[in-house]
Amino acid sequence: GAGVSQSPSNKVTEKGKDVELRCDPISGHTALYWYRQSLGQGLEFLIYFQGNSAPDKSGLPSDRFSAERTGGSVSTLTIQRTQQEDSAVYLCASSLTEDSLTEAFFGQGTRLTVV
Amino acid sequence: AQTVTQSQPEMSVQEAETVTLSCTYDTSESNYYLFWYKQPPSRQMILVIRQEAYKQQNATENRFSVNFQKAAKSFSLKISDSQLGDTAMYFCASPLPGTSYGKLTFGQGTILTVHP
Repeated sequence: GAGVSQSPSNKVTEKGKDVELRCDPISGHTALYWYRQSLGQGLEFLIYFQGNSAPDKSGLPSDRFSAERTGGSVSTLTIQRTQQEDSAVYLCASSLTEDSLTEAFFGQGTRLTVV
Repeated sequence: AQTVTQSQPEMSVQEAETVTLSCTYDTSESNYYLFWYKQPPSRQMILVIRQEAYKQQNATENRFSVNFQKAAKSFSLKISDSQLGDTAMYFCASPLPGTSYGKLTFGQGTILTVHP
């Protein structure tokens, strides 16, 4: 596609439910990143994919969070047993290569609200 | 560890005037990259400008320029001829040291409002 696409745009879920957030990167981009943006913590790195592999999962806050990427393209971030502190905007970014100078293109994010 | 600090939570400027957003950082790396991102109400982060630390010349992109002071570890963004469309949150960012990929550390952000 023309840009990074994330769905849903907004998600309201009840505490304790599981949610899946989807990211469609720009076609051909091998690197994919997930970040979380919350009022208290600002922007935090969650996980990095190179192809289908996740060499850096160091930002995932707990074992309730997991992510996968298939076909070197679409990625899904799953949050199990959601808690109120999971409420945040989840941003996905992709870049042509993993090089740190390569521009990362961001999606519009998914705003998750846990009630 | 690398830290990026933006000390101005909010700034405002009149249309057509110039505004400077501040950013300081701390790193032990000898070469690194610095970025300014813009996040409008649509939430999509957009790269505004980038600077490579080994380049002494300040980066410029149209109305946007940086004042990079390596010794002081300062990286400010100057917006000239401000436009209403510049209203957004601005983040200073840098890749974490020791990583070869684009794992970014962001500052806390500055909300910029351009008034007509």
